[in-house]
Amino acid sequence: QKEVEQNSGPLSVPEGAIASLNCTYSDRGSQSFFWYRQYSGKSPELIMFIYSNGDKEDGRFTAQLNKASQYVSLLIRDSQPSDSATYLCAVTNTDKLIFGTGTRLQVFP
Amino acid sequence: DTEVTQTPKHLVMGMTNKKSLKCEQHMGHRAMYWYKQKAKKPPELMFVYSYEKLSINESVPSRFSPECPNSSLLNLHLHALQPEDSALYLCASSPSRQQSYEQYFGPGTRLTVT
Repeated sequence: QKEVEQNSGPLSVPEGAIASLNCTYSDRGSQSFFWYRQYSGKSPELIMFIYSNGDKEDGRFTAQLNKASQYVSLLIRDSQPSDSATYLCAVTNTDKLIFGTGTRLQVFP
Repeated sequence: DTEVTQTPKHLVMGMTNKKSLKCEQHMGHRAMYWYKQKAKKPPELMFVYSYEKLSINESVPSRFSPECPNSSLLNLHLHALQPEDSALYLCASSPSRQQSYEQYFGPGTRLTVT
């Protein structure tokens, strides 16, 4: 079993819709959870982090964490074509970031 | 200034060449990282430096040799690489090794080995 799993996609949503990206992790001791956005050919950019169960909102982004289910998600409201990118879920394991394989999001006009 | 810089942006080298990748940060971070990223794959951790000392080597082949001359600089020396080493090489930094989650990535060096 991979440590951090994501559906590779692509996830296609129309402009203005809500995009829902999901991630599961295997290490119950994981404490910190992150979402990075990576445009093609560019480096990862941290967009959200969450440490406690529940929801965390930042602008159009909401991160959701459920430690009992070992599940973390990212919701993007009012999706824009500029949101089209690969979204990497990452989890801290002691002092390392463990990345999932990423979900490619496509937002079409 | 929350920027990590990397040079060069692109590098093409032959299998017998020796080259170096450079990374610099001026955020006062004490942990620095090298990652390798192949197309459509997540970043893979290669090395971690903490307070200018190598603390993690993820079983990277010796043809990759990291160096941390001071707290702001991180180099990756390359020698006798193989075509399969072609990838995007990413540098990152964080306030400390214990705060590895606050990682800021540089723009990367696109390496092609011919």
